[in-house]
Amino acid sequence: QLQLQESGPGLVKPSETLSLSCTVSGGSISSNTYFWGWIRQPPGKGLEWIGNIYYSGSTYYNPSLKSRVTISVNTSKNQFSLKLISATATDTAVYYCARTPYSYDRGVVWYMDVWGKGTTVTVSS
Amino acid sequence: SSELTQPPSVSVSPGQTASITCSGDKLGNQYVCWYQQKPGQSPEVVIYQDTKRPSGIPERFSGSNSGNTATLTISGTQAMDEADYYCQVWDSNTVVFGGGTKLTVL
Repeated sequence: QLQLQESGPGLVKPSETLSLSCTVSGGSISSNTYFWGWIRQPPGKGLEWIGNIYYSGSTYYNPSLKSRVTISVNTSKNQFSLKLISATATDTAVYYCARTPYSYDRGVVWYMDVWGKGTTVTVSS
Repeated sequence: SSELTQPPSVSVSPGQTASITCSGDKLGNQYVCWYQQKPGQSPEVVIYQDTKRPSGIPERFSGSNSGNTATLTISGTQAMDEADYYCQVWDSNTVVFGGGTKLTVL
């Protein structure tokens, strides 16, 4: 059974870089039918998409975060990672990684079918 | 890109039908999925590609999408269905979430 596990510091200082990794177990990140992504949820608020990556390295990013975000993939470790530069208090959130089975059926079919448990990141001095 | 609007809250009595809407310009031209999120848990997809239920999701969950509105319907709502629900689409190479609806079963 596929599992995703987020890891990284729970506390980041303002202006520093928030870095997280997602380790995929029970399946290969190099599958050609899936994208891998990051989603976050500020305390008491809704879901916000950060971006997705394909095993080849192709990426899609949220336009509102694109200037600060980099998502990368390491197929040898079966991991993908998130870097968010210049962190501020508004980046405080639970960060989730998730798998997206990509397909096309008279339109793009895009949804997240497997999620990690999430990791809480607080941006504070 | 799309903006998706959901009612902040919906209430339903146990055993009744709950309907949660998601509105957006020409939403019927895109595939919508729905997530259920219970407190302290990760979201879980309950409907994808407008109407499809993943394995393990009860038949009481169904979806529709036409015009400018997609609807998640829960028939015979149970107490365990109390949760936040989010709609989501893929539009112009971005993922867009609705603001979420808190379903209360009282």
